[in-house]
Amino acid sequence: QILLQQSGPGLVKPSQTLSLTCAISGDSVSSNSATWNWIRQSPSRGLEWLGRTYYKSKWFNEYAGSVRSRITFNPDTSKNQFSLQLNSVTPEDSAVYYCARAGGWYDWFDPWGQGTLVTVSS
Amino acid sequence: DIQMTQSPSSLSASVGDRVIITCRASQSISTYLNWYQQKPGKAPKVLIYAAFSLQSGVPSRFSGSGSGTDFTLTISSLQPEDFATYYCQQTYGTPLTFGGGTKVEIK
Repeated sequence: QILLQQSGPGLVKPSQTLSLTCAISGDSVSSNSATWNWIRQSPSRGLEWLGRTYYKSKWFNEYAGSVRSRITFNPDTSKNQFSLQLNSVTPEDSAVYYCARAGGWYDWFDPWGQGTLVTVSS
Repeated sequence: DIQMTQSPSSLSASVGDRVIITCRASQSISTYLNWYQQKPGKAPKVLIYAAFSLQSGVPSRFSGSGSGTDFTLTISSLQPEDFATYYCQQTYGTPLTFGGGTKVEIK
């Protein structure tokens, strides 16, 4: 059984960096058959895919255009986890953030992490 | 970006009703369409992948159909545990995008 466990602060000040980690059990972040995704959900933006990291002979990161200039993913093979860093946050970045594994030809998301409510406020 | 439009945005139904939710893509996505169910305070859970394939463990009252731009999720006989919000997602191209959701409420 694959499980994803998220960690990170729930409150971030405007202009600072949001950092979250997703720890993987039951699979490997270096798996050639999976991608590791970040998604956020807010009332104003709905479910928004932020991007993914994956390994296929080398590491790839793909980012959504809406956050591309501010976002970084870092896979950590020693801890079997992957992380999200979102710079220069504003209140519009307040959302529930999820990590999720995608596999198979059609890339459905399963499982998901438990979600982290992040509020951007001073 | 591929836009996903769901309808209706909400509906009221009774236990035992047949419920149909539709999802339309702004361009053809073949069958790269997944359906999720989300309950309050929980992460979404996949029900259907590749437009019509039932995820393991999901009750057979859920079914999906469609290809190209038009898709449907059908619940053949609504059960109390099915009251939730449902989302479609396309994985044909990046950015991966979701529909706006359909909230199924108790009549």
